[in-house]
Amino acid sequence: TQLLEQSPQFLSIQEGENLTVYCNSSSVFSSLQWYRQEPGEGPVLLVTVVTGGEVKKLKRLTFQFGDARKDSSLHITAAQTGDTGLYLCAGASAGKSTFGDGTTLTVKP
Amino acid sequence: NAGVTQTPKFQVLKTGQSMTLQCAQDMNHNSMYWYRQDPGMGLRLIYYSASEGTTDKGEVPNGYNVSRLNKREFSLRLESAAPSQTSVYFCASSEEFRRTQPQHFGDGTRLSIL
Repeated sequence: TQLLEQSPQFLSIQEGENLTVYCNSSSVFSSLQWYRQEPGEGPVLLVTVVTGGEVKKLKRLTFQFGDARKDSSLHITAAQTGDTGLYLCAGASAGKSTFGDGTTLTVKP
Repeated sequence: NAGVTQTPKFQVLKTGQSMTLQCAQDMNHNSMYWYRQDPGMGLRLIYYSASEGTTDKGEVPNGYNVSRLNKREFSLRLESAAPSQTSVYFCASSEEFRRTQPQHFGDGTRLSIL
């Protein structure tokens, strides 16, 4: 069974602060996706990473895929209240996708 | 452009009742998915469809049936609802022919089985 552990489970910060959330597994993934989900809505795909060591940037969000393709991180610079939400990672391997339980981020004004 | 539309948004059923959750996408995507989301268990794939007329079981298919009527629509049916099926159900689509990379999700159907 593939497991994806996300940490921290909850994170509350002030607007303007930086933060990093993590997605870790003992399994190797062919690709990994990050999503953001707001209450009452479905997840929104932010990025897909496929190459070990890959770094992708989306405005203030920086995504990194570990060299061994077992872990990933999401760094947000100068967080805004609009970044509030549940951040989910999902790893794909052998035709199966495994979702983590997510990190709930609250950015206070 | 509506994206992925799910109906209904909320539903309460009694044990043993049946119902069909509807999903339609207007992006001309090939792949469609049904997931359930439960606290502490993440999103789990129920069924996947790569194209019209084809469906594959996911991680948790027991108690569910699906129908890919055409390229736009993918429905999920509970024949005899059980309390364990209380969950939030999400439909998703993707332009990729991959069961592992859903790109666009609907806003979900919140289903309670009493």
